[in-house]
Amino acid sequence: DVKVTQSSRYLVKRTGEKVFLECVQDMDHENMFWYRQDPGLGLRLIYFSYDVKMKEKGDIPEGYSVSREKKERFSLILESASTNQTSMYLCRSGGSVTEAFFGQGTRLTVV
Amino acid sequence: GDSVTQMEGPVTLSEEAFLTINCTYTATGYPSLFWYVQYPGEGLQLLLKATKADDKGSNKGFEATYRKETTSFHLEKGSVQVSDSAVYFCALRAIQGAQKLVFGQGTRLTINP
Repeated sequence: DVKVTQSSRYLVKRTGEKVFLECVQDMDHENMFWYRQDPGLGLRLIYFSYDVKMKEKGDIPEGYSVSREKKERFSLILESASTNQTSMYLCRSGGSVTEAFFGQGTRLTVV
Repeated sequence: GDSVTQMEGPVTLSEEAFLTINCTYTATGYPSLFWYVQYPGEGLQLLLKATKADDKGSNKGFEATYRKETTSFHLEKGSVQVSDSAVYFCALRAIQGAQKLVFGQGTRLTINP
């Protein structure tokens, strides 16, 4: 089975902290994505990557950056966490939309 | 830009009731359409899809038909079960934009025994 593993299920961080969310997939997929999920807003794309060291902005990249040093790992970075970044973060991996696999999500609370 | 609009939730039904969750979309060109399901504590899973007008996607008793004339992709099930309780997301993939998905806001469904 394909696995998309997010490093933490729950995180609590303080305002201004630098936060790293990690996502690892084990199927050699080229495409990886980070979304945030908020009630009433659905999933919104933050950043995505088609290959190692390659990244593109999604619809809401402000306040975030990403890193893809190895094919299997895609990291989302909150440079200086703010309370409006409290959300559920979902990682997606896959070569096509019908092969899309999602991680279980990381619920981040910024206090 | 491309967008997806789902019916407001939450939706609460009794077991064996008929389910409809409305989904309409706005897109240029001819998008592919999807329904994803998120069970409690889990990530999203693909439930069904349709890639062209009049296609019907189906899985686990759920169905949705791609209606180009009404730009809709409503999800239906004839007899729901408690195990169908989840959040359902309608999504589209525009022709342009490799692998990008646009999601609706999600509809939380609760089925009572």
